[in-house]
Parts: sequence; structure tokens; C-alpha cells
Amino acid sequence: RKEVEQDPGPFNVPEGATVAFNCTYSNSASQSFFWYRQDCRKEPKLLMSVYSSGNEDGRFTAQLNRASQYISLLIRDSKLSDSATYLCVVDYVNNQAGTALIFGKGTTLSVSS
Amino acid sequence: NAGVTQTPKFQVLKTGQSMTLQCAQDMNHEYMSWYRQDPGMGLRLIHYSVGAGITDQGEVPNGYNVSRSTTEDFPLRLLSAAPSQTSVYFCASSYSGGGNSPLHFGNGTRLTVT
Repeated sequence: RKEVEQDPGPFNVPEGATVAFNCTYSNSASQSFFWYRQDCRKEPKLLMSVYSSGNEDGRFTAQLNRASQYISLLIRDSKLSDSATYLCVVDYVNNQAGTALIFGKGTTLSVSS
Repeated sequence: NAGVTQTPKFQVLKTGQSMTLQCAQDMNHEYMSWYRQDPGMGLRLIHYSVGAGITDQGEVPNGYNVSRSTTEDFPLRLLSAAPSQTSVYFCASSYSGGGNSPLHFGNGTRLTVT
């Protein structure tokens, strides 16, 4: 079964706060992991890929734990503009027809001043 | 480049009507896919294609057909619309399937079935 589970939201934090989101996936064969961001009534956009050794992009840090099958996203020094829904995305391998990307339901972040 | 273009942006159908949601990309991407997004459900994969002539079902394929006769186009067909198909539909493409390259999304089609 293809499943990607995320923290239930919403997360309401003040500007400057640090916030972390977790995501678990069920398919141990998954190889690729991403975080996407979606603003209200807009299409999702890639925030960052998640690499095995962990990776950082400015205020954003992504971690992968293959043994426990979870992914995390840490946002430091939150800005008002970080308010959005964050989607955890994992690949699902179908050997007959290639792979597909499966999305979690998303976690909503609201940053207030 | 226009990227991923979806048409129409909005559509209202009556139960039982048929229609085709169009999706075209001009980035020479091999991989294309259709998702639907409903409140509280996130994005769910309907169908995907790893290249011209190859399609496969996603998580929620029932009620939808697809074909991929060219690299550029990946239309989604609703043969007999049902109220349960009221949703926002996103088409997405990437250079290669799976996780090798990020998905580029269209702006979405908001479909209401009455």
C-alpha cells in the first residue's frame, strides 16, 4: 500500500520560532524524498529534496531516517512568508511502469507577527 | 517556455456528462501525471505516464481514462461525471519519473459536478 503520513496541523507559531514537521512512509523500497510547499489555492512547488545525509537550504533543514522510514523538515527563524502547507512526497516504485510520486496530506503552518 | 499548461481553469458539469481536461508541457518531459486535491485528503495520484504510449494507474484511477500519444500532451478524460469527482485537478510533469527530477505543476482545473 502506498502511504505517506504527516503530522496533523495546523501549526501556529510566532515569527522567529523554530518549527519541525515529520513524515513517515510505508514503502521501504522508496528512494526519493521531497518537501513541497503549497500556498492557498495555488499549485505545489518544490521546496527541497531530502538526501540520505541530510541537507540544508538557508533556514530549512531536511533529514531522512531510512531505518525508521521518516523524514523531517526543520524551519528556523520563521517568517510570515513561510505560512503555507508543506507536503511530504515519496516515490513509489512500480517495476512495470516506472515510479510515481505520492504526496502526504500536508501540514499547514501559520506564522504570526 | 510556458511550462505545464492546463485547460480549462474552471468547469461545471452535470452528472453523467463527459469531458476532457487538457494538459500540455513544452519542456520535453518524459514523465507526466494527474492528481486530484480534495480538502483534508491532500493530493492523490490518478494516473501517470513515463513516456509516450505508456500509462499506469495511480491511487484513485476509477472514473478516469488517460492516453499519452505524444510526449507533450496527457489528457484526462471523465467518461460519466459524478459529484464525487468535484475537485481541483493538477497536471504535473518532470524530466524523468520518480525522484530523479522535481515535478512541475500546472495551475490546476477546478471542476464542479452537480
